[in-house]
Amino acid sequence: EAQVTQNPRYLITVTGKKLTVTCSQNMNHEYMSWYRQDPGLGLRQIYYSMNVEVTDKGDVPEGYKVSRKEKRNFPLILESPSPNQTSLYFCASSLLFQGAVGETQYFGPGTRLLVL
Amino acid sequence: SQQGEEDPQALSIQEGENATMNCSYKTSINNLQWYRQNSGRGLVHLILIRSNEREKHSGRLRVTLDTSKKSSSLLITASRAADTASYFCATSGTYKYIFGTGTRLKVLA
Repeated sequence: EAQVTQNPRYLITVTGKKLTVTCSQNMNHEYMSWYRQDPGLGLRQIYYSMNVEVTDKGDVPEGYKVSRKEKRNFPLILESPSPNQTSLYFCASSLLFQGAVGETQYFGPGTRLLVL
Repeated sequence: SQQGEEDPQALSIQEGENATMNCSYKTSINNLQWYRQNSGRGLVHLILIRSNEREKHSGRLRVTLDTSKKSSSLLITASRAADTASYFCATSGTYKYIFGTGTRLKVLA
């Protein structure tokens, strides 16, 4: 089954304790992306990756890191989480169309993060 | 922020009625997509319309795109209680997607 998986689904942590949220897709998509969703703000893009070893900042990258060592995996790293990073996080992947984004994005089920 | 805006923010209708939601955006786009999200769950793609298209249909969904006005609309005909969800538009340039803030649709049985 074609899917995007995220782990963990729920996470409670404390300020400053490094954490990683994993994301994996089995559709051989070049493009992968992380979003955070906050009430009233919709989805905001944190980081994206056009392919292996190619990553770039989205609209809200501060406090986050990513890596893309393999095509299928795109982990999100919070080196020193703070309470303002409490949010619902989504990973997504898609094909590229003529080298650009714009094809259907497939979303993971989300990770609810609470930073105390 | 370059987020798009959706209108209305919330919409409540009776089952069987049509629901229309609008999306405005700020920059030139390659295409525009509509997604649906059931309460706190992952987004599901509904329909994609490319910048050179003006209208597209998929089942009970009809999407229009007016690039001169930088706006799009999503029409759901003959709505059902199961259509209750949040609906988001997303535009894409070369590398990034920009999502609207969403319309919360409630369909009353």
